[in-house]
Amino acid sequence: DAGVIQSPRHEVTEMGQEVTLRCKPISGHDYLFWYRQTMMRGLELLIYFNNNVPIDDSGMPEDRFSAKMPNASFSTLKIQPSEPRDSAVYFCASRPSRTGHRRSEQYFGPGTRLTVT
Amino acid sequence: GESVGLHLPTLSVQEGDNSIINCAYSNSASDYFIWYKQESGKGPQFIIDIRSNMDKRQGQRVTVLLNKTVKHLSLQIAATQPGDSAVYFCAENMKNTGFQKLVFGTGTRLLVSP
Repeated sequence: DAGVIQSPRHEVTEMGQEVTLRCKPISGHDYLFWYRQTMMRGLELLIYFNNNVPIDDSGMPEDRFSAKMPNASFSTLKIQPSEPRDSAVYFCASRPSRTGHRRSEQYFGPGTRLTVT
Repeated sequence: GESVGLHLPTLSVQEGDNSIINCAYSNSASDYFIWYKQESGKGPQFIIDIRSNMDKRQGQRVTVLLNKTVKHLSLQIAATQPGDSAVYFCAENMKNTGFQKLVFGTGTRLLVSP
């Protein structure tokens, strides 16, 4: 299994530009999560999907952030317009909902390091 | 990806020693307490969890202890190896969120010297 795949691994952009981060969850996992990690705030849940439907987006910081999951194998996190304070590592994670699976185990991708100058 | 860096509490141990990483939590209503490990350049990885009605749970080389009286969680790693060097996060999970919303602590860096 290839694990959760994220692209790009690194993104450097200028303030005001649109940024799109991509995620491919593990096949068969029906939950998908987007997290942001910074030194100041640690690891924060932004939004999560179940069966491609957004369930809880209360962690999305502003309207500049949006996330979509058009199908079971692909999700995007978009920031438009980007600002320097959006600089962080963004992680995507997935998990299955099958009975018996550890409830707290999420499988994280390698992350995308975003730098907004 | 990169783990959160420069200002984390750090625990330095020698290879072969036992390590104890501590975490204080605030939410008495949490149903599960969890430990994740994050190696440099990688995403967090699940290690072990414990249900709130338990005091101790053992895994392979790891033991998690839960003290609900003082809201304290610890992770014990036996015979620590250089490959255990990483940042360790405690996290909480709750039934009323469908067990989907992990709340992570700030992390502790473990450095293992050969």
